[in-house]
Amino acid sequence: DIQMTQSPSSLSASVGDRVTITCRASQTISPYLSWYQHKPGKAPKLLIYGASTLQSGVPSRFSGSGSGTEFTLTISSLQPEDFATYFCQQSIDSPRITFGQGTRLEIK
Amino acid sequence: QVQLQQSGPGLVRPSQTLSLTCAIFGDRVSRDSAAWNWIRQSPSGGLEWLARANYRSKWYYDYAVSVQSRMTINTDTRRNQFTLQLNSVTPEDTAVYYCVRGGVSGSSDVWGQGTLVTVSS
Repeated sequence: DIQMTQSPSSLSASVGDRVTITCRASQTISPYLSWYQHKPGKAPKLLIYGASTLQSGVPSRFSGSGSGTEFTLTISSLQPEDFATYFCQQSIDSPRITFGQGTRLEIK
Repeated sequence: QVQLQQSGPGLVRPSQTLSLTCAIFGDRVSRDSAAWNWIRQSPSGGLEWLARANYRSKWYYDYAVSVQSRMTINTDTRRNQFTLQLNSVTPEDTAVYYCVRGGVSGSSDVWGQGTLVTVSS
């Protein structure tokens, strides 16, 4: 299986901050990388697919970049509703998709 | 807007069978190229893909190696739903189970609400 490693595992930030989360794959997966937001008790929400394509309806403060084995999710200006857990997923090995362990974004 | 609605018990006894159903609204289970998945999240937080039903003129079924001897994914065109059966469950199968639609570039674009399944006597 392709291993996905996210960093950091947790992050404290303030409203208005710019935040970056990194996801590294154990082998090349471009461009088959997606990002999700997950809030407690709710279904995960797709934010980015194809490494950099914003899912319809997702605010433009979210962006994705990267290639090869290293990818980033950036939130340009944190809003109160953005505090959640974020995780990445590779799909080059579909259907055997695998996920990062998650990054918990907390209010400072 | 596509929605997935899950149903099934929240408590299963060890060695018994876990059964979950995912009803699809706003899409067709047998749409060409449709992909329907089951994914679970363990209490420690890790997400694990379990199984996929994929329609490309006929049905194709794939399973994770970790569960393939115990798991069956089925589709029901008449009811427009898909199901999961996991046999011989143990406490290690305790997790939140999600039904998920496969989307563009292999993304997981629509998720069910999740079902917490606890395996305990």
